[in-house]
Amino acid sequence: DTEVTQTPKHLVMGMTNKKSLKCEQHMGHRAMYWYKQKAKKPPELMFVYSYEKLSINESVPSRFSPECPNSSLLNLHLHALQPEDSALYLCASSQPSLRQGALSGEAFFGQGTRLTVV
Amino acid sequence: KNQVEQSPQSLIILEGKNCTLQCNYTVSPFSNLRWYKQDTGRGPVSLTIMTFSENTKSNGRYTATLDADTKQSSLHITASQLSDSASYICVVSAWAGGGNKLTFGTGTQLKVEL
Repeated sequence: DTEVTQTPKHLVMGMTNKKSLKCEQHMGHRAMYWYKQKAKKPPELMFVYSYEKLSINESVPSRFSPECPNSSLLNLHLHALQPEDSALYLCASSQPSLRQGALSGEAFFGQGTRLTVV
Repeated sequence: KNQVEQSPQSLIILEGKNCTLQCNYTVSPFSNLRWYKQDTGRGPVSLTIMTFSENTKSNGRYTATLDADTKQSSLHITASQLSDSASYICVVSAWAGGGNKLTFGTGTQLKVEL
């Protein structure tokens, strides 16, 4: 199983709503990532979890709150979002690389959640 | 600052023809380079991944090359099919001491027509 599963596929939410995006993988990967992608732009890294601990936060606003309950699950909690937060949110997983050049860092991406904030 | 530049931005070719996409990068310390295919509104799918010691890798009709000295990579697609229409993204991984940090190129939008 080389799949990363994201739910929901589509989400429309108001600026006062609270919602969560979910990501699941069963490849035994111990690194999981959230990316944000706007139309016709490359994905932008938001958060990295390594061994269930937050290792990188790319100065993401606090209205986005990540959570890694266990090694297979990654959540992104959303609260008080703005219309400009509308984007495709991608989850990815990989094995943490142990050394420079290691192939173990191959990242597998989910299909994404298309988020629209109204 | 780590950067990945791709060319051309977009490309239209006829079905059955070959094409080559380019990627130049300034990423340090270099760990590996990947090519992904991304359909609109979907997650990227890995095509190839290469370390600095590899200079070519194939995956079916896709062949990637890497010149670590000039920091250039190319993705060659042979006998293109309509289903090859997608964005092709070059992603270079930098070693961040405990993990790889990915720098994404802006992609080449490929359209294959009849």
